[in-house]
Amino acid sequence: QLQLQESGPGLVKPSETLSLTCTVSGDSISSSTYYWGWIRQPPGKGLEWIGSIYFGGSTYYNPSLKSRITMSVDMSKNQFSLKLSSVSAGDTAVYYCARQLLLKFPSRFDHWGQGTLVTVSS
Amino acid sequence: QPVLTQPPSASASLGASVTLTCTLSSGYSHYRVDWYQQRPGKGPRFVMRVGAGGIVGSKGDGIPDRFSVLGSGLNRYLTINNIQEEDESDYHCGADHGSGSNFVYVFGTGTKVTVL
Repeated sequence: QLQLQESGPGLVKPSETLSLTCTVSGDSISSSTYYWGWIRQPPGKGLEWIGSIYFGGSTYYNPSLKSRITMSVDMSKNQFSLKLSSVSAGDTAVYYCARQLLLKFPSRFDHWGQGTLVTVSS
Repeated sequence: QPVLTQPPSASASLGASVTLTCTLSSGYSHYRVDWYQQRPGKGPRFVMRVGAGGIVGSKGDGIPDRFSVLGSGLNRYLTINNIQEEDESDYHCGADHGSGSNFVYVFGTGTKVTVL
C-alpha cells in the first residue's frame, strides 16, 4: 500500500530556509509513470501547488515561488525533498507531498501524505 | 493558464443530493478537472477526473458509487447522492496546464460541504 510521509522542522525563522522531506513506501520513486509533488495549504485557505519533480531530475515549479524553490530526489532512500528559501509569515502552511500521474504532462495527484504544519516565526 | 472558480459553501440534508460546481475560465472549455475530497484535519484524497464528456479514467481508491461527475461547457460538476455524514468535507478542484516547457497545476478555492 502506497504511503507518503512528510518530515521536517515545524518551526522556521523568518528569512531562513524551510526544508522538508517526503519518504515514499509501497512504490518506487524511480517509477517512469509518476512525478512527485509538493502542495501547501495556509491555515483556513485553499491548496497551492508548489512544484513537481521526476526521478530523473526534471522539475516544474510554481512561477510565483520559483526563485525560492529547490526540489531534489534521493533514489537510494526513496525520498524527495523541498527547500524554500527566504521564508516569511506568508509561508506558514500545512505542506503536503503527493504522487502525480504522468501523462503528456504531470496530471492528477492520486495519493497524498497526511501533511506537516510549518510555522514561520521568530 | 486556467482559473478555477468554486462557491465557498454548499449543504444538503442527510440522504439527499448535492452538486458542486467548478467553473473554468473562458477559453478552457476542453480542459479536464480533478476533484479532491479533504475531510477535517486530513490530507486531500483524489475523487475522480472529469472532462466535457464526463468521467476520465477511474475513481480514486475507495470512492463510493454515490459520487459522480458531469461536464458541460466551462463547468465541471461533482454530485454526491444519498449524502452521508462522512461526506462532510472540503472539496477542491484542480487542473493541469502544460505548454512546451512550461507547466502549472492550479486549484480552485474549495467548497465546504455541510451535511444537515
